Amino acid sequence: QQQVKQSPQSLIVQKGGIPIINCAYENTAFDYFPWYQQFPGKGPALLIAIRPDVSEKKEGRFTISFNKSAKQFSLHIMDSQPGDSATYFCAASKDTGRRALTFGSGTRLQVQP
Amino acid sequence: DVKVTQSSRYLVKRTGEKVFLECVQDMDHENMFWYRQDPGLGLRLIYFSYDVKMKEKGDIPEGYSVSREKKERFSLILESASTNQTSMYLCASSYHRGGHTEAFFGQGTRLTVV
Repeated sequence: QQQVKQSPQSLIVQKGGIPIINCAYENTAFDYFPWYQQFPGKGPALLIAIRPDVSEKKEGRFTISFNKSAKQFSLHIMDSQPGDSATYFCAASKDTGRRALTFGSGTRLQVQP
Repeated sequence: DVKVTQSSRYLVKRTGEKVFLECVQDMDHENMFWYRQDPGLGLRLIYFSYDVKMKEKGDIPEGYSVSREKKERFSLILESASTNQTSMYLCASSYHRGGHTEAFFGQGTRLTVV
């Protein structure tokens, strides 16, 4: 059972485009939603995170949109650059008890020059 | 800088061998995790530990065990390696503060079981 569903599996955009990656979760106990970025040969690293008390969070060119009623959240990358080419994972966890992250299946993003 | 170090980048083991994957973190984090990463499946939690000598099963613990004798070290053990355990293994440690959790990952160990 996949508790966090992520789409698309891969994405190709031109430089300056706005790739959007979507995630949906099932467990209503989740209350923390981070995105991780992974470059080839490296472990994932935290990019940006949101809690369900806000509908949007921006950090630089990265924005998370959160829809609590639909149990969905998405990552938008403004003015994408070739250096943003990486695999992106959404994740979810609970704030109490078991705090291990449950990850989506990943999206491989390629930003073409 | 937080550092999570996995002992090997690449390992090749034979079916039936007992395999040890070691992980060390230097930030005094209480929580440590082992995930495996497979294409199209993302990162799946094998085991995690929230304190020394404490462990809890993740989503796919079958065929694995763990050991945490010291706070900074978390070992993953494949009791009898099988070909379906060929994968990338990622160790992580995390802190939780003020509703914010950040996990720091090692570079991964690519294990091939032949």
